[in-house]
Amino acid sequence: EPEVTQTPSHQVTQMGQEVILRCVPISNHLYFYWYRQILGQKVEFLVSFYNNEISEKSEIFDDQFSVERPDGSNFTLKIRSTKLEDSAMYFCASGLGTGGADTQYFGPGTRLTVL
Amino acid sequence: AQTVTQSQPEMSVQEAETVTLSCTYDTSESDYYLFWYKQPPSRQMILVIRQEAYKQQNATENRFSVNFQKAAKSFSLKISDSQLGDAAMYFCAYRSDSGYALNFGKGTSLLVTP
Repeated sequence: EPEVTQTPSHQVTQMGQEVILRCVPISNHLYFYWYRQILGQKVEFLVSFYNNEISEKSEIFDDQFSVERPDGSNFTLKIRSTKLEDSAMYFCASGLGTGGADTQYFGPGTRLTVL
Repeated sequence: AQTVTQSQPEMSVQEAETVTLSCTYDTSESDYYLFWYKQPPSRQMILVIRQEAYKQQNATENRFSVNFQKAAKSFSLKISDSQLGDAAMYFCAYRSDSGYALNFGKGTSLLVTP
């Protein structure tokens, strides 16, 4: 069964550094998402992406964040200048289509640690 | 903004027994979707069951069923004949009919004992 994959599984970086988190969505999916979960808190929506543009973003997704689909298979989240509070688990998800009933399939997550 | 509340941080059930996980939400919308996701330890979240708000009939998927009370804004998950593999974190989530984001609760950790 196709799965969403994410690399790396764990990323450690210094405050102020740029990081790129990578995701490979399920191949025929058209909608892509990033969520994050700070330790001990709930999973929070960051951004959704469709047809090479952002379709929705949360207040968390400020100017330090960007997303890109650089080729036909990868979907990336870039954090330009990491802060301590960016330490979290970042989940990528993908789905076939819009409509509220559409299932979002999640990847295993990348644990980001900012020192 | 919609709020999803899971009031049970942890629950425990014996194998073969039934357990119910609670979820309430706050919304002013009439059309929306509700989901239960399961996250086993060190594995990705997978969809367990979903409910369209316009449907009066409660969703059922094998041993998993929901009790959807729209007026009370309640969406509980019942797991029947619990199995050891059901042990996981369970997240309730809300999605607006007009949006893309899943809005999650904080989760309930389910322990299944032999």
